[in-house]
Amino acid sequence: DAKTTQPTSMDCAEGRAANLPCNHSTISGNEYVYWYRQIHSQGPQYIIHGLKNNETNEMASLIITEDRKSSTLILPHATLRDTAVYYCIVRSRSNFGNEKLTFGTGTRLTIIP
Amino acid sequence: DAGVIQSPRHEVTEMGQEVTLRCKPISGHDYLFWYRQTMMRGLELLIYFNNNVPIDDSGMPEDRFSAKMPNASFSTLKIQPSEPRDSAVYFCASSLEGPTDTQYFGPGTRLTVL
Repeated sequence: DAKTTQPTSMDCAEGRAANLPCNHSTISGNEYVYWYRQIHSQGPQYIIHGLKNNETNEMASLIITEDRKSSTLILPHATLRDTAVYYCIVRSRSNFGNEKLTFGTGTRLTIIP
Repeated sequence: DAGVIQSPRHEVTEMGQEVTLRCKPISGHDYLFWYRQTMMRGLELLIYFNNNVPIDDSGMPEDRFSAKMPNASFSTLKIQPSEPRDSAVYFCASSLEGPTDTQYFGPGTRLTVL
């Protein structure tokens, strides 16, 4: 699996856009970028994923650079409920062999009132 | 759908006792995963099932841990005998198409072994 690098922590003011970066310089052509988050005392929650095109859903937007070596998760209007640890994960979609979703240490995002 | 259901939410036990954690996956999901989360090691995959069959148990710490899935709607993770180092939050997750498909997590069971 391609490894990812994320900042340990970030702060963002409530109501502003939160931009969470992730570096995955060794990503290969068939690997997707996934984002999950974990709010305190809850299980991880899927947010979004993408291959090479930018993606948007009701929760967030995912911007992937043209060379696919980095990406940014954007929460457009952060609320206090978005305070959580955000995990960037790079995985292939192949189910051959024992493929696993491996969570790193993530970015602890704190939304400031 | 109610999502992934886990029970109990909290478990406190004494060293040497048997502990059984339970999970009901989302209906129709063919894959079920057991994870353990600690401050030191983060979120670790212990084992996962496909259509009730264990596929990869390489993350199971040792023989004290065992997991079963007798049918598509129920799985257990058992620790016997439990030790204080087993204290952690145990999550169950399920997915439709496989381990790299979107996984939906339960609320977790917080286990404390005294």
